[in-house]
Amino acid sequence: EDKVVQSPLSLVVHEGDTVTLNCSYEVTNFRSLLWYKQEKKAPTFLFMLTSSGIEKKSGRLSSILDKKELFSILNITATQTGDSAVYLCAVATADRGSTLGRLYFGRGTQLTVWP
Amino acid sequence: DTEVTQTPKHLVMGMTNKKSLKCEQHMGHRAMYWYKQKAKKPPELMFVYSYEKLSINESVPSRFSPECPNSSLLNLHLHALQPEDSALYLCASSQGWGGGDTQYFGPGTRLTVL
Repeated sequence: EDKVVQSPLSLVVHEGDTVTLNCSYEVTNFRSLLWYKQEKKAPTFLFMLTSSGIEKKSGRLSSILDKKELFSILNITATQTGDSAVYLCAVATADRGSTLGRLYFGRGTQLTVWP
Repeated sequence: DTEVTQTPKHLVMGMTNKKSLKCEQHMGHRAMYWYKQKAKKPPELMFVYSYEKLSINESVPSRFSPECPNSSLLNLHLHALQPEDSALYLCASSQGWGGGDTQYFGPGTRLTVL
């Protein structure tokens, strides 16, 4: 049973469009939610969110977390072909009875930006 | 510097071979991780080391044997692998292990088992 669900699984847009990627989760002992961008190899870190309602921004990318409704969105404005990648959402938890944490990944959203 | 390095970048091995994957970080991180990622799937956690001790083993077959010689290095020893073990193997590290710390990933080793 998936603990982290991303939607859509695939998205095709044209340069200049704005996109919104969704991530919902259901975990115990939530610690943080992370967004990663994965092109051909390793995931590269984008954002870590721990508090509800506080938007994080980096250039054309922004993200926000709603801990009450258990979801996060990642917005990309004025998309470019270089934004084409898989965007992974991951939720970090702390194991009950220990301080050890682990990440649960969603399946990712494949974003394709056409020129 | 948030760099995690992994060697080799690519590895092709037969089912009877023994090989090792290496991972290194110099960020002073105390938690290190091995993930396996199949094509078009998210990374799957294999092992977690915290303070150089194995803390999580996600029921990984014994043909995968992790080792953490010191706080900067993490190895994954491979023996008698199967073709279905072909995947991208990712190493990650984080400052702490409590789930509130960002995990930084290495570039991965693309493993092919013939």
